[in-house]
Amino acid sequence: NAGVMQNPRHLVRRRGQEARLRCSPMKGHSHVYWYRQLPEEGLKFMVYLQKENIIDESGMPKERFSAEFPKEGPSILRIQQVVRGDSAAYFCASSPVPGQAEAQYFGPGTRLLVL
Amino acid sequence: GESVGLHLPTLSVQEGDNSIINCAYSNSASDYFIWYKQESGKGPQFIIDIRSNMDKRQGQRVTVLLNKTVKHLSLQIAATQPGDSAVYFCAEGTGRRALTFGSGTRLQVQP
Repeated sequence: NAGVMQNPRHLVRRRGQEARLRCSPMKGHSHVYWYRQLPEEGLKFMVYLQKENIIDESGMPKERFSAEFPKEGPSILRIQQVVRGDSAAYFCASSPVPGQAEAQYFGPGTRLLVL
Repeated sequence: GESVGLHLPTLSVQEGDNSIINCAYSNSASDYFIWYKQESGKGPQFIIDIRSNMDKRQGQRVTVLLNKTVKHLSLQIAATQPGDSAVYFCAEGTGRRALTFGSGTRLQVQP
């Protein structure tokens, strides 16, 4: 019974490069949420996806950031032309049926460092 | 409001004592509330949740209290152990929307 998987666990990029973060939800979960966490802060919502659909991207920066959750394969958070301010921990959570007090189960996170 | 770039508040307790971690939430329409524990370098781990139509829920060694009048949530940990040392976040949720997290409290358990 694997939990939420994220890879890579650590990612180092130089300014201007692209970062791709992957998230495989728990088996049977079709709802994926991405959050960003800066040091000493709480998690901030970025985007909520179901299979092949973006449901809520109100927390996602309008430029350089995109997310997808294809029919097959993991959800991907893509950051183009990274800047130092993108350095953070990015967490993915999955849920079977949100809105029924079902807790979102979090992955271990990807720690992105932009040099 | 949100705290940006500030150090987390810290609660220091002796092993064996009870801990109480508090959280003020902002959305009176939230359907449910969740407490998460986050250890260094790891993702948030679910501890306990409570529906908005409840005021108390108990788990193993943990109790969550909800006071909707003052929009306050607390997590009580009985007989705190060194393994309880972590950062604790409250989160509120409404329907299918993503969770809104509080700023967190660091719990340090002294042996």
